[in-house]
Amino acid sequence: KQEVTQIPAALSVPEGENLVLNCSFTDSAIYNLQWFRQDPGKGLTSLLLIQSSQREQTSGRLNASLDKSSGRSTLYIAASQPGDSATYLCARFRNSGNTPLVFGKGTRLSVIA
Amino acid sequence: NAGVMQNPRHLVRRRGQEARLRCSPMKGHSHVYWYRQLPEEGLKFMVYLQKENIIDESGMPKERFSAEFPKEGPSILRIQQVVRGDSAAYFCASSPFDEQFFGPGTRLTVL
Repeated sequence: KQEVTQIPAALSVPEGENLVLNCSFTDSAIYNLQWFRQDPGKGLTSLLLIQSSQREQTSGRLNASLDKSSGRSTLYIAASQPGDSATYLCARFRNSGNTPLVFGKGTRLSVIA
Repeated sequence: NAGVMQNPRHLVRRRGQEARLRCSPMKGHSHVYWYRQLPEEGLKFMVYLQKENIIDESGMPKERFSAEFPKEGPSILRIQQVVRGDSAAYFCASSPFDEQFFGPGTRLTVL
């Protein structure tokens, strides 16, 4: 059974701090992986897609890496801002191409001004 | 290019009524997924559709739930005879090939 675990469940940091969110999988047969943010009562915003042949992707202050051998992905947020406060979700693709996503329960991030 | 659209955003039903949730994918996207987010739980896959076809419904409850994506018009998730346990946020996502883009969700409350 494919499972996704995100640690920590919640994180509070002061503004300006660099931080890392972790995501791990129960098996190493990883296909693509996608990171999202979800604001309270809202939908999901796609942040980064890492395809199975890639090791990392970057967008602005965000960098996501994928280590298939250890079954882990990390989302690095540089110079955090209060506007980064949200729940961050990691999701693995069940198979290659168009397949359902398997989600972790998320990390709830609070950035304190 | 408008994003994924879902309506209604909020839906209140009494036990035993029917709920119809609609999803219009992004232009050019032919793949639609439905997910459910129960309170304090993660998102769970329900069903994957392409135009006029159900590709994977392994996450769909066997009774009362159905989904369609007709040749014309939005995808519909239909819940018959709703119960309190159906109260949740229902999200639709569309995809051109792999990356999935989510709509704002429909929050269903069953009284």
